[in-house]
Amino acid sequence: GENVEQHPSTLSVQEGDSAVIKCTYSDSASNYFPWYKQELGKRPQLIIDIRSNVGEKKDQRIAVTLNKTAKHFSLHITETQPEDSAVYFCAASIEDYKLSFGAGTTVTVRA
Amino acid sequence: DAGVTQSPTHLIKTRGQQVTLRCSPKSGHDTVSWYQQALGQGPQFIFQYYEEEERQRGNFPDRFSGHQFPNYSSELNVNALLLGDSALYLCASSPTAPSDTQYFGPGTRLTVL
Repeated sequence: GENVEQHPSTLSVQEGDSAVIKCTYSDSASNYFPWYKQELGKRPQLIIDIRSNVGEKKDQRIAVTLNKTAKHFSLHITETQPEDSAVYFCAASIEDYKLSFGAGTTVTVRA
Repeated sequence: DAGVTQSPTHLIKTRGQQVTLRCSPKSGHDTVSWYQQALGQGPQFIFQYYEEEERQRGNFPDRFSGHQFPNYSSELNVNALLLGDSALYLCASSPTAPSDTQYFGPGTRLTVL
């Protein structure tokens, strides 16, 4: 089955700086890559996603890049704010709705 | 437009007991997936229901079973509870293809003593 690895496990950044989280996947058939943000005690919320026919997608301060050849994708958060502090999960899917998640990255934005 | 809802919010059971968790999908969604999230880990796929049938299953024992009703709501049943079943159980719904986007409910926190 699909195996998704996520790095780093923790990330501390100064407010205003950028944060980058990287994920790799094992199954070259994966074609859908969402990112979820989970605040303490709350549900995972979809923040951005990308499909395999696109190399990059941006939504305000958040962007995701995908390298199908290397089988990795990354989340970029620019101009970080305290409310960006949360656990971020990457996931991969092979068009069948089953999501395989990474282990998560705890992001702390220091004021 | 109501999002995904789950009940109950919290549940405490003892080893060997059975539990039923419930999920109502987002309006317009007909596919329901269940995930188990242990503390400090990413969600792990349990199974997915579509048209009242289990369409796909993850690496979970037969103690985990489910059901989907004609109104697309779903139940997750766990028999013979073990301490290791303590986790947050998340339900996610998605619309019929061609979308993979899954929207999660708030989860049910299950504690097995």
